[in-house]
Order: sequence, then C-alpha cells, then structure tokens
Amino acid sequence: EVQLQQSGPEVGRPGSSVKISCKASGYTFTDYVMNWVKQSPGQGLEWIGWIDPEYGSTDYAEKFKKKATLTADTSSSTAYIQLSSLTSEDTATYFCARSVGNNYYFDYWGQGVMVTVSS
Amino acid sequence: EIVLTQSPTTMAASPGEKVTLTCLASSSVNYMYWYQQKSSASPKLLIYYTSILASGVPDRFSGSGSGTSYSLTISSMEAEDAAIYYCLQLTSTPPTFGGGTKLELK
Repeated sequence: EVQLQQSGPEVGRPGSSVKISCKASGYTFTDYVMNWVKQSPGQGLEWIGWIDPEYGSTDYAEKFKKKATLTADTSSSTAYIQLSSLTSEDTATYFCARSVGNNYYFDYWGQGVMVTVSS
Repeated sequence: EIVLTQSPTTMAASPGEKVTLTCLASSSVNYMYWYQQKSSASPKLLIYYTSILASGVPDRFSGSGSGTSYSLTISSMEAEDAAIYYCLQLTSTPPTFGGGTKLELK
C-alpha cells in the first residue's frame, strides 16, 4: 500500500526556517517524482515544485524559488521541503504528492503538515 | 501561467440531483484532472486525462471537455459527495489548480 507519511505540525518564528518531511512507503521511491503543494487557510491549492529523488533534480514555481528548497534522501525514502525567511504568508498546510514524472498527475498525497508562523 | 476558473464557486444539490461543475482555462490544455477534498483531508484524485476515473471512484462521476472548457459531472448526488472539487492542468509549467467549487448537500 502506497503511503506518504508527513511529519507533525510546525510553529516557526518570523524570519526563521522550518523543514518538514514526507516518508514514502509501498513503492520504489526513486521511480516517482515528489511534488509539494501549499494550501493557505481557507484557500485553494498552489504547486510549489517537484524533486526527482533519483537524480536530485528539481523545479520550482517562480514565486517559491526563494522560499522553498526541496531535497530527498533515497536511503530513507524521505522527501523534504525547507521553507526559509518565514512570514505570515507562509502559514499554511503543505502536502507532498507523488507523480510518475513531472507534468503527470498526483496520484497519492500525504496527510499534510500545518505550518504556523507566529512570534 | 495558465489560470483555471471554476464555476460555480459554491452550490448545493439535493440527493439524486445531477451536478455539473465547470473549469475554464485561460489557454488550451491537453487534459484536465479533478480532485475532491473533504474537510481538512488531503485531496483525492477523481479523474485523470479528462475522463478516466481513478481507482475506486464511483461511476456516478464523469469528466469531459477539451481545449479551454472542461466539466465534472455527478449523475446522482449523494451525501458523501459534499466536498470541494478542484481542477488541475499539467499542460503548461507551472501546474495550476482552479480555485475550487464547494459542493454542499441540500
């Protein structure tokens, strides 16, 4: 059974960074791309970017290029997103979602991680 | 980037009623994808490549469309279908989602 298990809720101070994880199981981690999607409170969905765990290649939506850094650890089948220079605009739920390649649909999603930016 | 506009923003349907949700793209896309999100849960894939039902999705759901106009239809509304529905385009980078349609049970 494919599962994407994300880490727990995070609280970050303005200006700080947070790093959240997405541990994959039930499939070969390097056979799929991992995407990250942001959902602000009461809002819709925004694609942040993807990482190909096999090669470490990444692509980001323009607005997230200076905000998010995607990495992956193939030894633990875990993908990560680090969010830097936190502001109130970063308060949101962040989902990981796998796809067979970039520009393919997201078939399995993690449960989401709530990040709250607060002083 | 391609902007997806969903309509209506909110609607309510009675059990057994036919429901049609629309997604208009600012430029032509090859396919449309549809997701269902309940409460604070993660989105669930409903339809891919415009009209193919994802595994386990009831056949009362169907998708159609081409170019810039796509739709998701529920042939007979059930209580469990109350949710927010999002369309997604993958033709052009970045992938973009529509703003969502909130479907409520009347």
